[in-house]
Amino acid sequence: EVQLVESGGGLVQPGRSLKLSCAASGFTFSNYYMAWVRQAPKKGLEWVATISTSGSRTYYPDSVKGRFTISRDNAKSSLYLQMNSLKSEDTATYYCARQAITLWFAYWGQGTLVTVSS
Amino acid sequence: DIVLTQSPALAVSLEQRATISCKTSQNVDNYGISYMHWYQQKPGQQPKLLIYEGSNLASGIPARFSGSGSGTDFTLTIDPVEADDIATYYCQQSKDYPPTFGSGTKLEIK
Repeated sequence: EVQLVESGGGLVQPGRSLKLSCAASGFTFSNYYMAWVRQAPKKGLEWVATISTSGSRTYYPDSVKGRFTISRDNAKSSLYLQMNSLKSEDTATYYCARQAITLWFAYWGQGTLVTVSS
Repeated sequence: DIVLTQSPALAVSLEQRATISCKTSQNVDNYGISYMHWYQQKPGQQPKLLIYEGSNLASGIPARFSGSGSGTDFTLTIDPVEADDIATYYCQQSKDYPPTFGSGTKLEIK
């Protein structure tokens, strides 16, 4: 059974940093692209980042480019999201997702809430 | 970015058919594949994949769910609707980066 378990969320002040983690199990992690998708409270879904199988290629939307960094450790079957210079508009539940080659999201974790507030 | 437009809500009676639409600002087909996907999200839960590449049923999803359409007009059909289907449904395109989602359609029971 595919499982994705996020951790690392919490309350953080604007301008500070936070690192999210996602522990994967039930599939060969190194064979899949992985992604982060977020959802602001009572809002829709927004793609945040994608990383290739080896980690050599990463993709971001303009809203987080230069502030967020996605990475992975295939030996540990783990995905990460380093978030710097956080803004109030980054407040959201962050989901880890297994991504298909044609960029749809087959499996999602339960999410971790990040609140950016002073 | 490609914009996806969904109606905010839809009310349907149990045992009837629900038709949820998604219109895109650009064609999301390429080489015979529709890069349109559908998700279900129940309150307090993570999204769940229902349909990928226009009309392919995801693993474990009942055949009551189906996807259709091409180009810029797509439809998710639930037939018949059951009480457990109360949720918000999102479409997503992956023709171009960035992948984008519709704003969601909340399915309600009449």
